[in-house]
Amino acid sequence: KAGVTQTPRYLIKTRGQQVTLSCSPISGHRSVSWYQQTPGQGLQFLFEYFSETQRNKGNFPGRFSGRQFSNSRSEMNVSTLELGDSALYLCASSLENRGQETQYFGPGTRLLVL
Amino acid sequence: AQSVTQLGSHVSVSEGALVLLRCNYSSSVPPYLFWYVQYPNQGLQLLLKYTSAATLVKGINGFEAEFKKSETSFHLTKPSAHMSDAAEYFCAVTTNTGNQFYFGTGTSLTVIP
Repeated sequence: KAGVTQTPRYLIKTRGQQVTLSCSPISGHRSVSWYQQTPGQGLQFLFEYFSETQRNKGNFPGRFSGRQFSNSRSEMNVSTLELGDSALYLCASSLENRGQETQYFGPGTRLLVL
Repeated sequence: AQSVTQLGSHVSVSEGALVLLRCNYSSSVPPYLFWYVQYPNQGLQLLLKYTSAATLVKGINGFEAEFKKSETSFHLTKPSAHMSDAAEYFCAVTTNTGNQFYFGTGTSLTVIP
């Protein structure tokens, strides 16, 4: 089975722009979670989608949004980019993200905001 | 609510020495616990997980962890460090009643030759 894929791998944007990141989960997985990773804050949970519905949301401003398609692929959008949004964005997939299920991570998208 | 505390953001060990990375959890219900490893510019890879089947869990690359309910701990150990073990290690907790992982702040392991 192919692993979790994320595109693009690297991205450079300027302040005020918006960006869309994509995540394709492992085949058959219906849950996709997004995380922001920075040296200062570590891994922070953004949101989780399951069967096209946002099921959980972390403590991020409304500039961060996402969606999930019927094939379980997910996109994350950040509008009005700020310098502090520079980070590695990771997505993880699992069958249903319940209990002892493992979350499988993609390689991440590294976003640099100038 | 669940949370994880990783003591020591940086740990250095000599090659061949014991590796001990600490993780304490807080959970109001029986937890499931995970250790992940992250190499530079990569995503997280599962090392091992505790799912209540056995308190001593063996993972990949010679790592193991022991679940101690009385101490609310799930420390990661490896008898003999290898240079390739240098990475960032994350402990995480989830439960059967929720569907969100709670990660610790990570421990960066340096292996000194």
